[in-house]
Amino acid sequence: GEDVEQSLFLSVREGDSSVINCTYTDSSSTYLYWYKQEPGAGLQLLTYIFSNMDMKQDQRLTVLLNKKDKHLSLRIADTQTGDSAIYFCAESTQAGTALIFGKGTTLSVSS
Amino acid sequence: SAVISQKPSRDICQRGTSLTIQCQVDSQVTMMFWYRQQPGQSLTLIATANQGSEATYESGFVIDKFPISRPNLTFSTLTVSNMSPEDSSIYLCSVFRQESYGYTFGSGTRLTVV
Repeated sequence: GEDVEQSLFLSVREGDSSVINCTYTDSSSTYLYWYKQEPGAGLQLLTYIFSNMDMKQDQRLTVLLNKKDKHLSLRIADTQTGDSAIYFCAESTQAGTALIFGKGTTLSVSS
Repeated sequence: SAVISQKPSRDICQRGTSLTIQCQVDSQVTMMFWYRQQPGQSLTLIATANQGSEATYESGFVIDKFPISRPNLTFSTLTVSNMSPEDSSIYLCSVFRQESYGYTFGSGTRLTVV
């Protein structure tokens, strides 16, 4: 079945770049998403990328997709303490079908 | 993106009782999804709810334990039945918006069973 894997923890200093990685197993994954969850809060959609794209940039966020390796990454430039949260990678094979989530990466930003 | 109102935001319930969680969407959507997030864990899909048909449940989740209603295109309920402490989790509803390719989530219901 579908599976999405992420590293569990990442610790960076304020001002550095953060790179959160994700791998997925389903080659028919078409829509790939990054969500942010702050403590005690809901899920916030950060960005998404379609499988026919290699890269997407949105302000401090850059998403890279390597379809051959089924690898997705989220780069946060100039990481701030407010970026400390859990980041979830999620995928769906078809628009409108349920998302499958990775276990989440806890990003800790120290000043 | 769609706005989802989810109620209640949190509850503490006695074991053996049931709790019904409601999600109201500000526009019509075809499918609604219900997820569970156990403490410190990721989101696990419980079921997909289409209007006018029975919900489709994922492996490990059954209708008797998690009955779902979907009476119209803007509303759904999830009931957690005969609760035990293992049901203590955050429950979230979600919808997909075709025009934005985005999935929006409700703010979640934090359930504690004692």
